[in-house]
Amino acid sequence: GNSVTQMEGPVTLSEEAFLTINCTYTATGYPSLFWYVQYPGEGLQLLLKATKADDKGSNKGFEATYRKETTSFHLEKGSVQVSDSAVYFCALSDRNDYKLSFGAGTTVTVRA
Amino acid sequence: EPEVTQTPSHQVTQMGQEVILRCVPISNHLYFYWYRQILGQKVEFLVSFYNNEISEKSEIFDDQFSVERPDGSNFTLKIRSTKLEDSAMYFCASGVTQETQYFGPGTRLLVL
Repeated sequence: GNSVTQMEGPVTLSEEAFLTINCTYTATGYPSLFWYVQYPGEGLQLLLKATKADDKGSNKGFEATYRKETTSFHLEKGSVQVSDSAVYFCALSDRNDYKLSFGAGTTVTVRA
Repeated sequence: EPEVTQTPSHQVTQMGQEVILRCVPISNHLYFYWYRQILGQKVEFLVSFYNNEISEKSEIFDDQFSVERPDGSNFTLKIRSTKLEDSAMYFCASGVTQETQYFGPGTRLLVL
């Protein structure tokens, strides 16, 4: 079956630090890959996505590249802000049924 | 920017009672979903709905669960006889296509 593994948190950073959250997946076929973000007290927001190998998704300074050879979709941001403090979820959807499979989530705290 | 909305934000109920969780998807979306997240666990797919019928459901979605789109705008999840283990955050999602899903803020259900 499909599964997503992402690095465990919590991750604590200082403002302007570089952020990487690792995500690897197992899937049959060619899934689409997503990062969702959950800010405190809010729901899941789509952050970025990539639908095929070598695609790069980007939004709000975050980037992730769909690496088929390493089955990975690591999230990166070059300079984090306090407002980036949130829980980040990696997810995939199978093109057969499109239901999302989520990773466990990584809590990121950015300190001023 | 249009959003998926969910009501109530919190619900407390007694074991064995029926609950109905309500969602208003984004207006031009055609695909609808329910997910849940038990505290400390991954977000799990429950059911997908398209063209007024269930397209896919998980093992969790047993006979005590049902979904309905009663009036063309609301999308509801009913749990007929709640159990303690139904306590979770329930997320509704919708999409214009199957590929990208937009989530609501969630309803936190507590079964006592």
